[in-house]
Amino acid sequence: GAGVSQSPSNKVTEKGKDVELRCDPISGHTALYWYRQSLGQGLEFLIYFQGNSAPDKSGLPSDRFSAERTGGSVSTLTIQRTQQEDSAVYLCASSQGPGTGNGYTFGSGTRLTVV
Amino acid sequence: AQSVSQHNHHVILSEAASLELGCNYSYGGTVNLFWYVQYPGQHLQLLLKYFSGDPLVKGIKGFEAEFIKSKFSFNLRKPSVQWSDTAEYFCAVRNTGGFKTIFGAGTRLFVKA
Repeated sequence: GAGVSQSPSNKVTEKGKDVELRCDPISGHTALYWYRQSLGQGLEFLIYFQGNSAPDKSGLPSDRFSAERTGGSVSTLTIQRTQQEDSAVYLCASSQGPGTGNGYTFGSGTRLTVV
Repeated sequence: AQSVSQHNHHVILSEAASLELGCNYSYGGTVNLFWYVQYPGQHLQLLLKYFSGDPLVKGIKGFEAEFIKSKFSFNLRKPSVQWSDTAEYFCAVRNTGGFKTIFGAGTRLFVKA
């Protein structure tokens, strides 16, 4: 597509429920990134995909967080047993590849609110 | 570990004032540096980037940034701001050839008309 698409744009969930966030990167972009933006804070790196593999999962806050990418395209970030501290904007970005001359193209994010 | 520090969390300026937003990073190797901007209600966009060569880089909308290696700095500047520059600005660093970009906490700029 023309840009990075994320869905849903907003999600309100009850504490303890599982949520799935979806990212559809720019066609042809092999690298895909998930970040989390909490109120008043910068972007916190979560995970990176090159193709379908995730060389670096070090940013995932806990084992309740997982992510996958299929077909070198769409990625899903899953948060199990959500907690109130998971409330944030989850941003997805893609690029043509790691260490390339281009920056990232970001999606509009998913605003997650855990009540 | 890499980190990025943005000195000002909030900046308020009048139109036509000059802007300089500070950014310092910590990393011993060669780096790529970025400034991203997020306008109200919009997604993050790349404003400018430094990879190599001339340490003074120019971006969109009249913005520029200077990489000073000895100071580990990459400050963003604009000679004369406009009301439309009201946004949040993020400095970011990535080690050359790497994949993970580290972002600063952001600076919210408000320009009074």
